[in-house]
Amino acid sequence: AQKVTQAQTEISVVEKEDVTLDCVYETRDTTYYLFWYKQPPSGELVFLIRRNSFDEQNEISGRYSWNFQKSTSSFNFTITASQVVDSAVYFCALSEETGGSYIPTFGRGTSLIVHP
Amino acid sequence: GAVVSQHPSRVICKSGTSVKIECRSLDFQATTMFWYRQFPKQSLMLMATSNEGSKATYEQGVEKDKFLINHASLTLSTLTVTSAHPEDSSFYICSARRRDSGGSPLHFGNGTRLTVT
Repeated sequence: AQKVTQAQTEISVVEKEDVTLDCVYETRDTTYYLFWYKQPPSGELVFLIRRNSFDEQNEISGRYSWNFQKSTSSFNFTITASQVVDSAVYFCALSEETGGSYIPTFGRGTSLIVHP
Repeated sequence: GAVVSQHPSRVICKSGTSVKIECRSLDFQATTMFWYRQFPKQSLMLMATSNEGSKATYEQGVEKDKFLINHASLTLSTLTVTSAHPEDSSFYICSARRRDSGGSPLHFGNGTRLTVT
């Protein structure tokens, strides 16, 4: 079973629309970390945000916001007023302890296409 | 600016030859680096964890003799694809963390697109 599920393979929106990317994770650990990364067409993955399992406070950074809910094991990412530059593949990742070290596991990614 | 440098960004080689990919952490020391492989429109598949001064830890299904990893210094890890075949064509990405803790985010190289003809 996948530890990180990003059910949306591809989302297509028109500029200025709001869009939410879903991420559901699975872990038995009490201490873990969740991340979102962005991979633009150029290929380089860029870190966006991190959350630890003890911090359920939602966060807003400009047009980006994240909703972490342990009750539903979800860590969703919302882009408000999307722009063409937001077009990219977005990956959700889970980092949990494995054999004494934290090995990150990535979801399959959601490809976001923002049309002008 | 980039904190992890990966080189080359693109390489085309003939079947049977070997290709070396370098990954450098630019402004921090990394005892651990991760090597991923990404197929078109797919997620990142962890190939191995590169450990400075010791053997790499390979994921299940990844051939150790095929994908040689060397982490000789705290700022450099190399991945050598030996006797490359067309099925090895892929996008290879390395990453490293500033701190060896689960909460430290990964910093990625630009990736290397390998094409084996």
